[in-house]
Amino acid sequence: EVQLVESGGDLVEPGGSLKLSCEASGFTFSRYGMAWVRQAPGKGLQWVASISSEGTYIYFSPSMEGRFIISRDNSRNSVYLQIHSLRVDDTAMYFCTRDILQTSEVDWSPYNWFEPWGLGTHVIVSS
Amino acid sequence: QSILTQPPSVSGVPGQTVTIACTGTSSTLGPHSDVHWYQQLPGAAPRLLIYANRNRPSGVPNRFSGSKSGTSASLVISGLQADDEAVYYCQSYDSRVFVVFGGGTKLTV
Repeated sequence: EVQLVESGGDLVEPGGSLKLSCEASGFTFSRYGMAWVRQAPGKGLQWVASISSEGTYIYFSPSMEGRFIISRDNSRNSVYLQIHSLRVDDTAMYFCTRDILQTSEVDWSPYNWFEPWGLGTHVIVSS
Repeated sequence: QSILTQPPSVSGVPGQTVTIACTGTSSTLGPHSDVHWYQQLPGAAPRLLIYANRNRPSGVPNRFSGSKSGTSASLVISGLQADDEAVYYCQSYDSRVFVVFGGGTKLTV
């Protein structure tokens, strides 16, 4: 069964940092691009970042660039999202998701669609 | 405000057909941009419903269909059922933002 399990969400004070993890199983992780999407309470989906199958190419939503770092460790079947200088408006459920198609590193682009999705990990930024 | 515009809500009764629209611009839903649709049930993660404008992943009932024309796309749900009650999102691309989602449409049955 293809599965994505996020972890690392927490209650943190403004200005703090957090590292979210997503562990994949049930498929050949190193063949797929991965992405993080977040959802603020009562709001819609917001794409955060995508990373290619080998981690060479990274794209961020322009509003996220600078404070977010996406990375992956194919030996651990995991993708990560680090968030620095956390702000109250970073409060959200953070979902990990996978590009639906296998793509070679050289052919990868961020213009993908996503399935499956993890259940999410909750980040709360509050003093 | 999302680059892709969806109505905030639609409603229908069981058995009815409803349509959810997704309107973009030439840079987000142009002739070379595909649109994809997701269903998010209450308290759940999103689930891919339609990809590349009109294709259904395995396991998605054929009551769900999609189409795209110009800079607009539509999700049609026929034979409405109570458990179709969810929020539906369209998704496409933008040259500046890369991946964009519509604001979501809450379907009430």
